[in-house]
Amino acid sequence: QKEVEQNSGPLSVPEGAIASLNCTYSDRGSQSFFWYRQYSGKSPELIMFIYSNGDKEDGRFTAQLNKASQYVSLLIRDSQPSDSATYLCAVTGGGSNYKLTFGKGTLLTVNP
Amino acid sequence: DVKVTQSSRYLVKRTGEKVFLECVQDMDHENMFWYRQDPGLGLRLIYFSYDVKMKEKGDIPEGYSVSREKKERFSLILESASTNQTSMYLCASSLETGYTFGSGTRLTVV
Repeated sequence: QKEVEQNSGPLSVPEGAIASLNCTYSDRGSQSFFWYRQYSGKSPELIMFIYSNGDKEDGRFTAQLNKASQYVSLLIRDSQPSDSATYLCAVTGGGSNYKLTFGKGTLLTVNP
Repeated sequence: DVKVTQSSRYLVKRTGEKVFLECVQDMDHENMFWYRQDPGLGLRLIYFSYDVKMKEKGDIPEGYSVSREKKERFSLILESASTNQTSMYLCASSLETGYTFGSGTRLTVV
């Protein structure tokens, strides 16, 4: 059974700080990695995806992947109260069906 | 943008009823998925389909079936609804760059 582990939180940061969200996965064959944001009562929305080791930046968001350590993280710079949500890490083993296994999510609260 | 539409936002059904949850996507994606989401348990995969008339069981298929007669439509069927199937049901479709989710159906079985 493939597993994706995240700290459930809540993670609380002040406005303007860097929020760091972490995720580990058990399947060494995993090839694609995704971060989703889910506001309370809403469905998940894709923030970023990363396939290669290293960093990938998109605006205030940076995804970091280390396949050797089976670790993926999401950094949110200049955190805003509107970033308060649950962040879901998801991984796929590749192949033709792109089936994702999700972590249970980390609740982030950004305090004004 | 890809649009994934779930037919009902809220649904209340009685125990033993046969329940149909419909999902339609408008971007010609081959892969479609049904998840349920429960507090403390996260998103769990029920069934998925990677082509018309093709389906595969996910992690928790018991009590569910699916139908995919057309590429754009993927239906989840609760054969005989039970109270432990009260949940948020999320449909998604995908290419390799990740899923797009529908807005979800909150199903309550009484």
